[in-house]
Amino acid sequence: DAGVTQSPTHLIKTRGQQVTLRCSPISGHKSVSWYQQVLGQGPQFIFQYYEKEERGRGNFPDRFSARQFPNYSSELNVNALLLGDSALYLCASGGLLPTGELFFGEGSRLTVL
Amino acid sequence: AQRVTQPEKLLSVFKGAPVELKCNYSYSGSPELFWYVQYSRQRLQLLLRHISRESIKGFTADLNKGETSFHLKKPFAQEEDSAMYYCALLTLNQAGTALIFGKGTTLSVSS
Repeated sequence: DAGVTQSPTHLIKTRGQQVTLRCSPISGHKSVSWYQQVLGQGPQFIFQYYEKEERGRGNFPDRFSARQFPNYSSELNVNALLLGDSALYLCASGGLLPTGELFFGEGSRLTVL
Repeated sequence: AQRVTQPEKLLSVFKGAPVELKCNYSYSGSPELFWYVQYSRQRLQLLLRHISRESIKGFTADLNKGETSFHLKKPFAQEEDSAMYYCALLTLNQAGTALIFGKGTTLSVSS
């Protein structure tokens, strides 16, 4: 099993642009979560999707959106990029009760200039 | 407020020394806590969860509800334990779950 895969691994954008990040969960996992990790901080929850429906949203502006497809893969979109959006964006699958364990991808590193 | 605090940014110890990585939490419900670890050039992965009361790679963590703590301990540190360690709190978010992470502690074990 390849585990959680994310693409692209690195990307550079300029302020005001839009970005789409992609994630494929572990085979059989129906839940995908997105986290933002700014340098020097722990990951911060953005979204959780389960069975193509949003099940949770963190404290992020409406510029952040996501969706989940019938094959359970997911996209995270960020519009009107700001310098402060520069971060490592982590996708994770799993996270369901009772264990709550998340399996993370390697992340997409976004740099906004 | 739901919060996880890891007061130490960096912990440096010598091989064979005991290790304690501190974690305190704030949560109104019954907490479910985890320790995640990230080794160099590897992805973030689960180390242990309090509910299973297991010992992984010699590490243990006990939930102390009175002190709202979940410190990670190992009696004898090894060089391969050098990594970034994150304490995380599981919260219920609408019909789903979300983890609240601390800022992390870098453990450096030298010989």
